[in-house]
Amino acid sequence: KAGVTQTPRYLIKTRGQQVTLSCSPISGHRSVSWYQQTPGQGLQFLFEYFSETQRNKGNFPGRFSGRQFSNSRSEMNVSTLELGDSALYLCASSGSAQSSFSGANVLTFGAGSRLTVL
Amino acid sequence: SQKIEQNSEALNIQEGKTATLTCNYTNYSPAYLQWYRQDPGRGPVFLLLIRENEKEKRKERLKVTFDTTLKQSLFHITASQPADSATYLCALMGAGSYQLTFGKGTKLSVIP
Repeated sequence: KAGVTQTPRYLIKTRGQQVTLSCSPISGHRSVSWYQQTPGQGLQFLFEYFSETQRNKGNFPGRFSGRQFSNSRSEMNVSTLELGDSALYLCASSGSAQSSFSGANVLTFGAGSRLTVL
Repeated sequence: SQKIEQNSEALNIQEGKTATLTCNYTNYSPAYLQWYRQDPGRGPVFLLLIRENEKEKRKERLKVTFDTTLKQSLFHITASQPADSATYLCALMGAGSYQLTFGKGTKLSVIP
């Protein structure tokens, strides 16, 4: 079955612009998580969605937002881009027949969207 | 505050030897601990999950141990091969959280 698909794979923006990244989870997966990865900070949690509801949000400013659609596809948006937003943005989906999300939920990651802010 | 530490940023090992990676955590009471592998420019890939009531889990050449008293997990790759070269990440979920938190990873290089 198809994996997690993220688009676009690469993009270059300038400071002050905004960007929207898209994620299509594995068919049947209802939970989608987003992470930012930088060499210095590693993988940092942005947010998690389940059935169109944001259940958890990481410690990022309000410029970072996301949403999930009824088909479980998700988007994240970063407004007023800063140089420090340059990173690999990873989306991961998790299959769960229940609404709970435990540490037993295994994440399947996409290849990521590489954002460069100039 | 909650913290996950993977002690070595980088580990070099000779082909054929056993690689041992360490993951320590503080202020967590995890029911599960996961290990992932990440290759450059790609997303992490799940390898193994171990439950708090399991001391050890094996999968082919991989072995994970979980000591909730020491708050530590060890990840072993036996008979290491150059193809095992990658960054290895451990991950935990806090109680009542929908967030899987990752350590910064250990970059393993297996030298032929």
